[in-house]
Amino acid sequence: NAGVTQTPKFQVLKTGQSMTLQCAQDMNHNSMYWYRQDPGMGLRLIYYSASEGTTDKGEVPNGYNVSRLNKREFSLRLESAAPSQTSVYFCAGSLSSGTSGQQFFGPGTRLTVL
Amino acid sequence: GNSVTQMEGPVTLSEEAFLTINCTYTATGYPSLFWYVQYPGEGLQLLLKATKADDKGSNKGFEATYRKETTSFHLEKGSVQVSDSAVYFCALKGGATNKLIFGTGTLLAVQP
Repeated sequence: NAGVTQTPKFQVLKTGQSMTLQCAQDMNHNSMYWYRQDPGMGLRLIYYSASEGTTDKGEVPNGYNVSRLNKREFSLRLESAAPSQTSVYFCAGSLSSGTSGQQFFGPGTRLTVL
Repeated sequence: GNSVTQMEGPVTLSEEAFLTINCTYTATGYPSLFWYVQYPGEGLQLLLKATKADDKGSNKGFEATYRKETTSFHLEKGSVQVSDSAVYFCALKGGATNKLIFGTGTLLAVQP
């Protein structure tokens, strides 16, 4: 099993460009999450999907959109990138709500917006 | 709302020293508590967890006890190794969803 995978690993964008970060899991997770990690801020939830077909905003959703394409895949889109979106992005998955709460994380995508 | 506060780093220790990283939380009800570890260049992975008051989570020589009276979940290890150098995150899960709220992370550097 590959676990939770993310592509790309690194990306550099210019202000105003768009891109989609891809995430896939083969762990049969019902719930999936997108976080950003910034120095001194810990991890902040951008969007999550409690189950296939549903998505909800997290703590910092502005400037992002998501798609839960199917049970395995959960993508994060930046329509018009800004320097404030320079960050490391992590995707995670977990089993259904009400269980232990453990989340499994991908290796991250390091994004720089110039 | 729910929140997690953990001690700021970096924490620098010599090999075999005793480690404590403090974590306190604010939450309604009875949250589950977690410690995650992030090794350089990797994603987070679960280190240990506790789901109710007085539970002790343990793994790889690390321990943390869920103290409801002090709303704390401090991470301890009796003898750290260089390989323990990483960023440690305290987190809580409250309510019916599996959303986690993370602390800001504490960088631990262990020197030989």
